[in-house]
Amino acid sequence: GNSVTQMEGPVTLSEEAFLTINCTYTATGYPSLFWYVQYPGEGLQLLLKATKADDKGSNKGFEATYRKETTSFHLEKGSVQVSDSAVYFCALRPGEYGNKLVFGAGTILRVKS
Amino acid sequence: EAGVAQSPRYKIIEKRQSVAFWCNPISGHATLYWYQQILGQGPKLLIQFQNNGVVDDSQLPKDRFSAERLKGVDSTLKIQPAKLEDSAVYLCASSPEPTNLAKNIQYFGAGTRLSVL
Repeated sequence: GNSVTQMEGPVTLSEEAFLTINCTYTATGYPSLFWYVQYPGEGLQLLLKATKADDKGSNKGFEATYRKETTSFHLEKGSVQVSDSAVYFCALRPGEYGNKLVFGAGTILRVKS
Repeated sequence: EAGVAQSPRYKIIEKRQSVAFWCNPISGHATLYWYQQILGQGPKLLIQFQNNGVVDDSQLPKDRFSAERLKGVDSTLKIQPAKLEDSAVYLCASSPEPTNLAKNIQYFGAGTRLSVL
């Protein structure tokens, strides 16, 4: 079946620290991979995506590379800000038609000034 | 462009009562989704509509949950009767282009937080 595993949180960092949130997946076929972010009191927002192996998604200083050989899509940012504090969800969309998203459990990120 | 609208934002009910949630997707979006997000977990798809037809309802507990999307626009999700384990955030999402998966991104509403006492 299809599943996503994220590193457990919360992750607590100081401002300007380097961020990595690990994400691995299990899927049949050739999935697309996504990172969504949820700020307090808001809905999920797409942060970045990659649709095939070796693609790199990037947005707002965040990056993730679709690694088929390790079935991973780790989220990174070189220098976090307090405003990055949120819950981050890794998700996959199976290759078949339907556009269904399968989410990981989410990782809470807290950035201290 | 207006986002996905959901109401109410919060709802508190007692077990065995009924509750309904409403969603207005982004204008022109063909596909609408309802997700259940239990505290500490990622969202789980309950039902997916394309226009006013159901594409996937395999994880919808049909003995108590129902959903409709009349006229292919707004949607309502109902729970009757509610159980304690239904306490969760119910998220609605919509996406524009069912035939182009590369562009078919899901946009989420802020959700309805349900507490069943």
